[in-house]
Amino acid sequence: QLQLQESGPGLVKPSETLSLTCTVSGGSISSSSYYWGWIRQPPGKGLEWIGSIYYSGSTYYNPSLKSRVTISVDTSKNQFSLKLSSVTAADTAVYYCARLMIVVVIGSEWFDPWGQGTLVTVSS
Amino acid sequence: SSELTQDPAVSVALGQTVRITCQGDSLRSYYASWYQQKPGQAPVLVIYGKNNRPSGIPDRFSGSSSGNTASLTITGAQAEDEADYYCNSRDSSGNHDWVFGGGTKLTVL
Repeated sequence: QLQLQESGPGLVKPSETLSLTCTVSGGSISSSSYYWGWIRQPPGKGLEWIGSIYYSGSTYYNPSLKSRVTISVDTSKNQFSLKLSSVTAADTAVYYCARLMIVVVIGSEWFDPWGQGTLVTVSS
Repeated sequence: SSELTQDPAVSVALGQTVRITCQGDSLRSYYASWYQQKPGQAPVLVIYGKNNRPSGIPDRFSGSSSGNTASLTITGAQAEDEADYYCNSRDSSGNHDWVFGGGTKLTVL
């Protein structure tokens, strides 16, 4: 059974860079069938897609975050990572990683499974 | 602001049927996926594609779509269905950008 686990610092100072890693177990991150994504949820608010990556390295970012986001993949470690620069208090959120399935022929796409999430607080 | 619009809150009597809707231009081209999130937990996929349920999701959950509106229907709502529900799809540009609806808080009375 595929599992995803987020890891990284739970506290980041304003103006610094948030760095998180998602470790995939129970399956290969290099499968051509899947993409991988990061989603966040500020406390008490809704979900926001941050970005997605294909195992080949192709990346897609939320336009509202694009200037600050970098997502990368390390197939040798079965991991993908998120970096968000110049963080502010508005970036405080639970950050989730998830597998993204895209089936072009039927216009169907979905995120499953999700990691348990990790809370990142931006504060001095 | 979200390009997928959901009602903020919906309530249903125990055992009754409830429909949660999601509106957006992208839904004319792409199916929505639906996620259930209970307090303190990660979202869980409940419906994807035309009307597909992942393994382990009860068959009281179903999905449908018409025009720019996707719907999640719970037939015979149970107390454990009380949760936040989010829809998700590509954005209306059709680019590799995804967007979530603002979420619907479902209360089972």
